[in-house]
Amino acid sequence: DTAVSQTPKYLVTQMGNDKSIKCEQNLGHDTMYWYKQDSKKFLKIMFSYNNKELIINETVPNRFSPKSPDKAHLNLHINSLELGDSAVYFCASSPSLGDTGYEQYFGPGTRLTVT
Amino acid sequence: KQEVTQIPAALSVPEGENLVLNCSFTDSAIYNLQWFRQDPGKGLTSLLLIQSSQREQTSGRLNASLDKSSGRSTLYIAASQPGDSATYLCAVDNFNKFYFGSGTKLNVKP
Repeated sequence: DTAVSQTPKYLVTQMGNDKSIKCEQNLGHDTMYWYKQDSKKFLKIMFSYNNKELIINETVPNRFSPKSPDKAHLNLHINSLELGDSAVYFCASSPSLGDTGYEQYFGPGTRLTVT
Repeated sequence: KQEVTQIPAALSVPEGENLVLNCSFTDSAIYNLQWFRQDPGKGLTSLLLIQSSQREQTSGRLNASLDKSSGRSTLYIAASQPGDSATYLCAVDNFNKFYFGSGTKLNVKP
């Protein structure tokens, strides 16, 4: 039933490792996003995809690589993890993009801890 | 670059009070503004979406207003309940780029 799901919910790993976070939405939406929420609870957009095409790529280190195999999935792969990557990563989706904008639906988040 | 500010950062009220949360933004060229609530350890739940052409939206005890020209939005919560305790975030959509405020942490005391 879950509209936007993420796996894993928690991820603890050491510096230098490579890890992936997966996101799936069953809402039939065209657009998906990755956000990072830091320790001060500030949410910042990282990427957005529309119909599997990268639309927004904020100033994120190229160690972060999103991949959208289809409209319902958006994965985030992180290479050479650093301490500063520790945060909660949220996936979200919306029906589409456009000049009226659409409501966003968020996943439960993945808490990444790099030691 | 868009900056979104929320005041106050934290608010504690007794149950039953009406309250107002504030959100301001620097760039008025927005598509819409969305209010969310976030419970501890959880994702965000959308509360209200106001299109740039609208002045307000209502859902139950919640009413959100938008004054695009002055870069302000308010979220009014009527007859607050302990279950309303959460962090409330506003987000503005600048040409499909979303900018969030840092939130107002609300505690409603029984």
